[in-house]
Amino acid sequence: AQSVSQHNHHVILSEAASLELGCNYSYGGTVNLFWYVQYPGQHLQLLLKYFSGDPLVKGIKGFEAEFIKSKFSFNLRKPSVQWSDTAEYFCAVTPYSGAGSYQLTFGKGTKLSVIP
Amino acid sequence: DAGVIQSPRHEVTEMGQEVTLRCKPISGHNSLFWYRQTMMRGLELLIYFNNNVPIDDSGMPEDRFSAKMPNASFSTLKIQPSEPRDSAVYFCASSLKGVSNQPQHFGDGTRLSIL
Repeated sequence: AQSVSQHNHHVILSEAASLELGCNYSYGGTVNLFWYVQYPGQHLQLLLKYFSGDPLVKGIKGFEAEFIKSKFSFNLRKPSVQWSDTAEYFCAVTPYSGAGSYQLTFGKGTKLSVIP
Repeated sequence: DAGVIQSPRHEVTEMGQEVTLRCKPISGHNSLFWYRQTMMRGLELLIYFNNNVPIDDSGMPEDRFSAKMPNASFSTLKIQPSEPRDSAVYFCASSLKGVSNQPQHFGDGTRLSIL
């Protein structure tokens, strides 16, 4: 079974600071990778996804993530955060194919607080 | 375009009572998922339906929990009897197909408090 670990539980940044949230996964095969964002009191929204091809993927709101297969990592980045980015961020993984490919496994989440 | 619709948004009830959570998936989506979110355990998949049929219910905590999907546009998650440790946010999600390259779309969740 796959697992996901997110290194930071809570990150506090000032506006305009750069952001990098770590995500590592454990799985013996090919995977699809996702980042979801949950704004306070709201549902999870898809931020970006990686299926194949260019390991640097761009998502909404200026976010990007880089898949490094050798490190089993899929870190989320943003060059300059805004107060409105305050939210909880979840990394998730599914097997690329096979019987369990619906199984979206989430990390525990990283809470980001951006100070104006 | 309506997203996944869940009701109620909030539910507060006393332990021992029956709780029913409802979900309407996005029209045309044939896969439906129920998740539970807690501080301690994060997001956990409870059950997965494909074409209204339960495919994987290994995440359902115990017999007090049951889920049904009588048709393509409606699902329920029932807890009977409820206990304080069931307090959590319950999310429903749907996707076009139950495969990994179809992102899941989440509802707003039901915040359940069992007193």
